[in-house]
Amino acid sequence: SQQGEEDPQALSIQEGENATMNCSYKTSINNLQWYRQNSGRGLVHLILIRSNEREKHSGRLRVTLDTSKKSSSLLITASRAADTASYFCATDEAAGNKLTFGGGTRVLVKP
Amino acid sequence: DTEVTQTPKHLVMGMTNKKSLKCEQHMGHRAMYWYKQKAKKPPELMFVYSYEKLSINESVPSRFSPECPNSSLLNLHLHALQPEDSALYLCASSQGRGVKQPQHFGDGTRLSIL
Repeated sequence: SQQGEEDPQALSIQEGENATMNCSYKTSINNLQWYRQNSGRGLVHLILIRSNEREKHSGRLRVTLDTSKKSSSLLITASRAADTASYFCATDEAAGNKLTFGGGTRVLVKP
Repeated sequence: DTEVTQTPKHLVMGMTNKKSLKCEQHMGHRAMYWYKQKAKKPPELMFVYSYEKLSINESVPSRFSPECPNSSLLNLHLHALQPEDSALYLCASSQGRGVKQPQHFGDGTRLSIL
């Protein structure tokens, strides 16, 4: 079963604009990870944020985590056509021993 | 190029065939995973190996049989599959025991069952 739900399911923006997507989850977690998947390829790890962290940056990526609301957001700034992909959040449940992926957000960046 | 190599990239097989998917990594990772992914859906965990021992089987039908011959290799043996088993099969690996580490994915094997 899915632990994380992502919103929106799909997003279309112009190159240079920012893209924001959200992930909600149900149970306590140890960490939350974001992955990117380009069409026909495997997933690529983007960033991991631990449950005691509130914000993390990596290049043009900014991730926030609000454990009180059981939600996380991924912001991609100054998007590029190469950012066109599906983005998945994945949670490591505190009581579990596996990653569970959210439904994903499909992002289209138009040149 | 990914650091996790999966072969073959594409596989078409009949329901009575026996085939195997292979996965290889040379990053020294001791946890390896098989996922199944349907179109426009997230990956679904099938199996986890930790230090070459099967640690998680997500109630996968016995027509899927995993094998971890050594710390670098992971196989998935397929037999008598059904059309609904058509999907992208992804292999991943991570450092150490458990799943609290980033996972490195291969590009998958796209499997079609006739």
